[in-house]
Amino acid sequence: QSALTQPASVSGSPGQSITISCTGSSSDVGGYNYVSWYQQHPGQAPKLMIYEVSNRPSGVSNRFSGSKSGNTASLTISGLQAEDEADYYCISYTSSSSLVFGGGTKLTVL
Amino acid sequence: QITLKESGPTLVKPTQTLTLTCTFSGFSLSTSGVGVGWIRQPPGKALEWLALIYWDDDKRYSPSLKSRLTITKDTSKNQVVLTMTNMDPVDTATYYCAHRPYYSLSGFDPWGQGTLVTVSS
Repeated sequence: QSALTQPASVSGSPGQSITISCTGSSSDVGGYNYVSWYQQHPGQAPKLMIYEVSNRPSGVSNRFSGSKSGNTASLTISGLQAEDEADYYCISYTSSSSLVFGGGTKLTVL
Repeated sequence: QITLKESGPTLVKPTQTLTLTCTFSGFSLSTSGVGVGWIRQPPGKALEWLALIYWDDDKRYSPSLKSRLTITKDTSKNQVVLTMTNMDPVDTATYYCAHRPYYSLSGFDPWGQGTLVTVSS
């Protein structure tokens, strides 16, 4: 199972919106609505930000939203803040009943 | 409040077997739909999913590592154990365990703090 494809880096200025893509195949992202997104600050454990494509866990800011089209899922962060600077990872359920992560995206807030 | 903590050796030699224990609180692994997973992250690299055990003892493994991994649970002790055989320096990583809630197939929440395992002779 190959890792999902994410851009290595994205950047944006405070207040702007950015979108991080996560591309897989019909055997994972495209076949199921089981894509989640994690935020990881340096030296910390990952934190769940979005689950099952577009659901926010309790306590996560509504500036974070998720969507999916075909084999590509997306995480959008609106009203970018300095604290959003982190690494972001997607994960998807697969047709082999396993899970696969994306390669990660480093978000820089300019 | 759900908490998880990983424990095990910080240094293992090549070819040895790694045994990691995840001790958790705040939930029961006998609750329908709940699971505990293991994920690792080599220094400076991406996350990699390893294994997942469900409340009903169903087990799932990474296809690329399946032959080397075993995941078990002890519901009475609130522990999940991961063993990985034939360790190699490329297996050097921070190993995390995480709670998989009943309402999500792909979401792990929360995670343990992680434990760094170095493979070196």
